[in-house]
Amino acid sequence: DGGITQSPKYLFRKEGQNVTLSCEQNLNHDAMYWYRQDPGQGLRLIYYSQIVNDFQKGDIAEGYSVSREKKESFPLTVTSAQKNPTAFYLCASSSPVAGGSTDTQYFGPGTRLTVL
Amino acid sequence: AQSVAQPEDQVNVAEGNPLTVKCTYSVSGNPYLFWYVQYPNRGLQFLLKYITGDNLVKGSYGFEAEFNKSQTSFHLKKPSALVSDSALYFCAVRVLTGGFKTIFGAGTRLFVKA
Repeated sequence: DGGITQSPKYLFRKEGQNVTLSCEQNLNHDAMYWYRQDPGQGLRLIYYSQIVNDFQKGDIAEGYSVSREKKESFPLTVTSAQKNPTAFYLCASSSPVAGGSTDTQYFGPGTRLTVL
Repeated sequence: AQSVAQPEDQVNVAEGNPLTVKCTYSVSGNPYLFWYVQYPNRGLQFLLKYITGDNLVKGSYGFEAEFNKSQTSFHLKKPSALVSDSALYFCAVRVLTGGFKTIFGAGTRLFVKA
C-alpha cells in the first residue's frame, strides 16, 4: 500500500450524520484521488485534486465533499446528502509524468463505511 | 464513450496452468493501459502498464500483458499460476477529460485451485 495511509479502517455512521475519512501520503505526490468501490462495479471516481487548494468533481461527487489544504492530506467527508454511502472507499495518489497521461496510481488500504 | 471492459466476472484455473484475464478498451487517441490487483480488504496494487513500444509488457510477480491494437485488447497473462495469485484484477485506462483520469473495469476475480 506504499506511503498512503487511510483511517479509520472501519467506520460506522448513523443516518443523518456527516463523517470524514482521512487520507495522508508521504510520497510527495501532487495528485490525489478518492474512489468508491461497490461489489461488481469496479472503482468510481468521487473527487480528485491535481494540486494543493484545487480539486475537481469526479463521476459521483453528489453527497461528498473534500478539501486539499496540504499536499499530504486529502480528507473526504460523506455528508447526510449521500443516500447510499455504505461502500469501500479508496484513496490514491500519483506524481504527474508527461503531463499526467501515464501516471501510475498508488492506493491506500481503504476504509469500509457502513451506515447503521 | 471511453471505456474499459472485462468480459469475465470470474476466472478459474488450476495451479501450475497458464492464466489469462481479458480486457478490452475503447479510447480516443493513444491508449495508456494498466493492470492492478486487489487482495481482500486491501487497496489496489500496480502490476504493469503499457505506454508505447513493445506490445508485451512484463510486470510484477511474473505477470505480463499483451497489447493488441487491432483487437483493442490488453489481456493479462501468467505462464504458471500460483494459489497466491487468487485475487481481484482490474484493467484500467488513462483518459483525458478535462484533466487526466483513470477509468477502471469492473474487475475479474481469479481463483487458482491447488
